[in-house]
Parts: sequence; C-alpha cells; structure tokens
Amino acid sequence: ELKVEQNPLFLSMQEGKNYTIYCNYSTTSDRLYWYRQDPGKSLESLFVLLSNGAVKQEGRLMASLDTKARLSTLHITAAVHDLSATYFCAVANYGGSQGNLIFGKGTKLSVKP
Amino acid sequence: GAVVSQHPSRVICKSGTSVKIECRSLDFQATTMFWYRQFPKQSLMLMATSNEGSKATYEQGVEKDKFLINHASLTLSTLTVTSAHPEDSSFYICSARVPGRNQPQHFGDGTRLSIL
Repeated sequence: ELKVEQNPLFLSMQEGKNYTIYCNYSTTSDRLYWYRQDPGKSLESLFVLLSNGAVKQEGRLMASLDTKARLSTLHITAAVHDLSATYFCAVANYGGSQGNLIFGKGTKLSVKP
Repeated sequence: GAVVSQHPSRVICKSGTSVKIECRSLDFQATTMFWYRQFPKQSLMLMATSNEGSKATYEQGVEKDKFLINHASLTLSTLTVTSAHPEDSSFYICSARVPGRNQPQHFGDGTRLSIL
C-alpha cells in the first residue's frame, strides 16, 4: 500500500527566509505532484516530477525528486506573504485505481511580514 | 485556464436530500476521472474512480449505494450523494488527467456540501 508522508505539517516563516518541505513515499511510482491550496479553494498544480533527479523551478519555488530515496522536496526561497497556503505532495498510485493520487497530509505555510 | 469544470460550487440542503455534482473535462476527453473528499483541515482522500462506459471503482469504506457515480460521456462524470446526512458535509473535488505523460491531474474548483 502506497503511503505518502509530508513534513512539516505546519510551517511559520518570516519573509525573506528559505525553507524546505519534505515528501517521502513508500513504494515505487513514476509521477509525483506538488499542489497548492488556498483556504476554501481547490488545488492548483505547481509541479509534475517524472524522473529521478528531476528539478523544476517556478518563481520562488523549486521542486526536486529522488526516486531512489523516494523523496521529493519543495524548496522555498526568500519567502513572501503571497506564498502562504497549504502545499500538498501527491504520488501516482499505479497499484491502485488507474493512477489515482495518494496525498500527503499537507503543509500549512504561513509567511509573516 | 481551467481544464476541469465542477458544478455546483456550493450546496446547502436539508438532511435526506440527494445532491448531484457534475465534473466536466474541457477541451479534452477523460476516460477516467477521480472523486476525492476533503474534510476541514485534512488532506484529500480518494472516494472512487469514474470510468467512462463502465462501473466506477470505489475505495474501501465508501458506500457505492450512497455515492452514485455515472460517467456517461468522455467529458462528464457525475457524483450523486443520495439521502445526504450531516456527516456527508464535506468538500468534494473531482479531477481528470490531461492525456500525455507530462501532464498533471487537474482539479475542479470543488463543491462544498453542507447538510443541515
């Protein structure tokens, strides 16, 4: 059974600081996603990571994937208030229902001025 | 732009009412769509996988007679919560994957269901 663990679950940061969110998963998968969710809203796709060593960057966010360690990271550089949201990693579950996603519990990020 | 449209966005109704939620893929065909449920301050949990032209696949613990899924066309899946009760109140989100290896799963805007 595929399990996805995300940490930390809560993260309070000062603007301008850097931090990393970690996502571990328990079985082999070929797709890992990062999503952002604002309060009361649905999920916004941030990154799709498909191969070992994949690194993608968008603005102040950078995601990487190490399939051997079954670990993905989401790195935040020089955080700004607008990044405050809940971030989810999700792993495609091909042992389950046709590639449905198994989600981590989410990291609630609060960036303070 | 949005690639998955979900409707309605909010429903408030009395206990015992049945509620239908629609999920449409825009500009692409989705043979498979997924229905998730999210309780407050929790993560998303898969309820069922909707397959065009065949029966849905339900996750363990999800009552198929309670949550009826119909995927009658390549662009539309519906979830009907039958005889809803307060414990069914939640945020329901559908998703579909745009064809192509590098494509993410796109999510609808979600439906917030409140049963009084």
